[in-house]
Amino acid sequence: SQQGEEDPQALSIQEGENATMNCSYKTSINNLQWYRQNSGRGLVHLILIRSNEREKHSGRLRVTLDTSKKSSSLLITASRAADTASYFCATALNTGTASKLTFGTGTRLQVTL
Amino acid sequence: DGGITQSPKYLFRKEGQNVTLSCEQNLNHDAMYWYRQDPGQGLRLIYYSQIVNDFQKGDIAEGYSVSREKKESFPLTVTSAQKNPTAFYLCASSSLHRGQGARSSGNTIYFGEGSWLTVV
Repeated sequence: SQQGEEDPQALSIQEGENATMNCSYKTSINNLQWYRQNSGRGLVHLILIRSNEREKHSGRLRVTLDTSKKSSSLLITASRAADTASYFCATALNTGTASKLTFGTGTRLQVTL
Repeated sequence: DGGITQSPKYLFRKEGQNVTLSCEQNLNHDAMYWYRQDPGQGLRLIYYSQIVNDFQKGDIAEGYSVSREKKESFPLTVTSAQKNPTAFYLCASSSLHRGQGARSSGNTIYFGEGSWLTVV
């Protein structure tokens, strides 16, 4: 079952604008991660935020987490054409010692010149 | 170069055939995973393994089988029992997390480049 749902499903912006994607999930989590996928490629890890954190930054990325609302957001500032990709949130249900991630359906971001 | 290698990139399967997708990692990771991705969808977990000679079913294990005879390798067999196998398959690996709850290390999962499987 899909744990996370991203919103919007698709987003089109111009270069230089900010892009905000949201993720909602259903059950308690240990941490939430955001991944990026270029078309037809594997996923690349962007950022991890733990359940006891509220905000985290990495370069042009800013992630927030609201565990009371079971939601997270990913903000990409000053977007570039190279940011065009699908972005997925994934929640970690740490089973034993493996990180068993459950992914959302993704947001397809298109950044135009 | 350290990473995860999946092969083949493209594979065609005839009805009734079993096919095996290869996944090799040189990251010295203990845990390995197989995910399936359908067009425009998220990833769904098929199988995962935390240690050699041991593996667990994920959310959609029916019609698939795996083995973990070596730490570096986690091949996935798509059997004829899988009625709708056409999809993009992603192998991944991670180190084992430590700690509990929010204090857990929450390990990053590293993905291969994927394999496209099509039924013909």
